[in-house]
Amino acid sequence: EPEVTQTPSHQVTQMGQEVILRCVPISNHLYFYWYRQILGQKVEFLVSFYNNEISEKSEIFDDQFSVERPDGSNFTLKIRSTKLEDSAMYFCASLGQANQPQHFGDGTRLSIL
Amino acid sequence: GESVGLHLPTLSVQEGDNSIINCAYSNSASDYFIWYKQESGKGPQFIIDIRSNMDKRQGQRVTVLLNKTVKHLSLQIAATQPGDSAVYFCAEKAPYSNTGKLIFGQGTTLQVKP
Repeated sequence: EPEVTQTPSHQVTQMGQEVILRCVPISNHLYFYWYRQILGQKVEFLVSFYNNEISEKSEIFDDQFSVERPDGSNFTLKIRSTKLEDSAMYFCASLGQANQPQHFGDGTRLSIL
Repeated sequence: GESVGLHLPTLSVQEGDNSIINCAYSNSASDYFIWYKQESGKGPQFIIDIRSNMDKRQGQRVTVLLNKTVKHLSLQIAATQPGDSAVYFCAEKAPYSNTGKLIFGQGTTLQVKP
């Protein structure tokens, strides 16, 4: 069964540095998402992406964050000037069509020191 | 406002018993719900979904019930096995968003005792 893959599985970065989290969505999917899960808390929506542009973003997704689909397979989340509170699990998800379940990757654990 | 909640943070059941995990939602316009299972160190894994034009949907050993009158849904797992131990999240497709974004509940940890 096709799956969403994310790299790296764990990223440790000094505060103030930039990180790029990478995702390869399911190949025929058209809708892409990033979610965040702070340890012990629920999964929170960050941003949705469709037709090569952001379709919706949450209040968490400020100017520090950006997303890109640089080619036909990768979907990236860039976090500039990382802060301690950016430490979390970041999940990528993709969707083939409306009212179908989103498929999630296994996440990247981001640790900011 | 948007909110999806679960009633109990932890549920402990004996292996072989049935498990029922509950979830409440607040927006009567919500029309699509999904249950996800999250094992330690993994991403949310799709279990079963239900649309608002249905009251019940069954999968393999799992059943989801939707009560739109009281805005409540439940996940029933039959003959619970140790491999069912995980955190279970209900998620709702945000009703006033056309992007398909999901709103997750807090999660219930299911512990299966052998």
